[in-house]
This record gives sequence, structure tokens and C-alpha cells, in this order.
Amino acid sequence: AQTIHQWPVAEIKAVGSPLSLGCTIKGKSSPNLYWYWQATGGTLQQLFYSITVGQVESVVQLNLSASRPKDDQFILSTEKLLLSHSGFYLCAWSPGTGGDAEQFFGPGTRLTVL
Amino acid sequence: AQSVTQPDARVTVSEGASLQLRCKYSYSATPYLFWYVQYPRQGLQLLLKYYSGDPVVQGVNSFEAEFSKSNSSFHLQKASVHWSDSAVYFCALSMPNTNKVVFGTGTRLQVLP
Repeated sequence: AQTIHQWPVAEIKAVGSPLSLGCTIKGKSSPNLYWYWQATGGTLQQLFYSITVGQVESVVQLNLSASRPKDDQFILSTEKLLLSHSGFYLCAWSPGTGGDAEQFFGPGTRLTVL
Repeated sequence: AQSVTQPDARVTVSEGASLQLRCKYSYSATPYLFWYVQYPRQGLQLLLKYYSGDPVVQGVNSFEAEFSKSNSSFHLQKASVHWSDSAVYFCALSMPNTNKVVFGTGTRLQVLP
């Protein structure tokens, strides 16, 4: 069975500090990977997706970047946090491309920027 | 541009009552449509999905949804809700041949015992 793990579970960071959030998928080779941001009580905004190692597509610009250093790993980062970065970050994977595959979500990371 | 609208931010029903959560979409072709549920402080779980064919799709926990091309809608329904159905429900649209997904703003369902 496939499992998706996100770390850390929660972060409290200062404005202007760097950030790195991680996501690992086990039990599935070559998954499509996604990052989403969810404001408190809000909808999900797709940030990035990746269909292969070393390749990442940006969907919306929020002064964040993403990388896929390994087949099973997806990293979200920034060098300077903004207050507006606060929220819930969700990683997801899907087994195929083309838009018709359901996505499987991780438990999320709650980020508070002060 | 593609979009998903969930007009009801909050819905409150009594346990055992029927339920309909509304979803309208905007897309130039027929999209792939999904309903996800999010329990407090958790990720999302898929309830059901529509790709093509029979416009009524069955999902987990006795949920079903009906796709209407003429109305650009994909409403979620359940005949009898349980208190454990209390959660936030998201409708989502995926564009064929892309990896882009658009979510609605969500509907918070509260089921009163």
C-alpha cells in the first residue's frame, strides 16, 4: 500500500526566515506529485506539480519554490517567509497524468508565520 | 477561465435528513470532476469522481453525485446523513491532458444529532 508522509507536522516561523517543507511517498514508483496551499478556513490553491524527478511546474506564484530531488520526494521552500504564507500545506500524489486520476493527500503541515 | 463555485459556505442538517451540496463549474469542455471531504486538521479524501458515461456516480459512504452538462453542475447528495458526516466538502475540477486542478471554496457541513 502507498503511504504519504509530510514533515514537519507544524511550524511556527518568523517573517523573513527560510522554510523547507517535505513530502515523501512510499510504495509507488514515478508518482505525479503536487503541492497545495490552504488558507485557514479557505479553499485549496494548487502551487506546483511534478511528473518526474528534477522537473517542477509552477501553477501560481506565491514567492515559493519546489523541487523534486528524488522520485519519492517533493520539497517546498522559500528563502524569506511572508505573513501571507501562513496556512495549511498539503502534498498529494496521483498515479497517472492527464487529469483523470484522483489525488491522494497527505496529512498536511500547518505553518504559522509571525 | 475554469472555475468551481460552491455557493453554500455552510449547511446544517439534522441526522437522518437528506443532503444536497451544490457545485457549479465553468470549463469550455467536459472536465473531470471530483468531490473530496476534509475532516478537521486532516488531508482530503476522495468521495467520488466523474469522467464520462452515466451522469450519476456512486461514491463511498453512500454518497452520490449527478453530473449535468446543461447546468454545468455536479451536486453531491446523500439520502440520510450521519453525525460523522460533519466535515468540509470540496468540489474540484481537473482539466483533461493537464495536471491542473481547481477547487471550489468548500462547504462546511454540520449534522445535528
